[in-house]
Amino acid sequence: SAVISQKPSRDICQRGTSLTIQCQVDSQVTMMFWYRQQPGQSLTLIATANQGSEATYESGFVIDKFPISRPNLTFSTLTVSNMSPEDSSIYLCSVEGGLNTGELFFGEGSRLTVL
Amino acid sequence: AQKVTQAQTEISVVEKEDVTLDCVYETRDTTYYLFWYKQPPSGELVFLIRRNSFDEQNEISGRYSWNFQKSTSSFNFTITASQVVDSAVYFCALIQTGYSSASKIIFGSGTRLSIRP
Repeated sequence: SAVISQKPSRDICQRGTSLTIQCQVDSQVTMMFWYRQQPGQSLTLIATANQGSEATYESGFVIDKFPISRPNLTFSTLTVSNMSPEDSSIYLCSVEGGLNTGELFFGEGSRLTVL
Repeated sequence: AQKVTQAQTEISVVEKEDVTLDCVYETRDTTYYLFWYKQPPSGELVFLIRRNSFDEQNEISGRYSWNFQKSTSSFNFTITASQVVDSAVYFCALIQTGYSSASKIIFGSGTRLSIRP
């Protein structure tokens, strides 16, 4: 298993500002995943972050809105830019439990509220 | 197309009752994995079980049991003698076997389970 730490755990932000969420894993991993969970909803994958290359974004998500960094094999950041109330969500960082297993380990999430 | 349906949005039972969470899936793939995850109020998702599509044996782990039936495309989750600590949102998920990318995981909409003392 992997231990994943996210910062901040929660924050209240003003409309138009940006916030960067950090994700630290206790082991080296090839891929890290960022999910969004809007209130009362399921998880939606935002992007896959590979070390040394640009993140791969899912349909409906763009780099200008959700820039991602992946400077090494244990760390990644997700920035939510120019926030609006619609961005109020839990943002979760995740890594795979093993190659081709499909099993995911998640951080505790970052709960953002945009006023 | 792949799809995971959790028809029960919310369930509330009294402690010590048994409760079953339903999960129905759609896929044209012949090999796939099914999962259950638990999301307690603290927010993180906790992996509970993975089931390979070739293995239809039911599984029991303590108070938890899972009933996988390919004939009805269902993967139901039962908690026996429920406890307050079981209160959480539970997600069922599906992925085609062989994919290494989590972008292929399909999550259901979740079932919020509340256990009343």
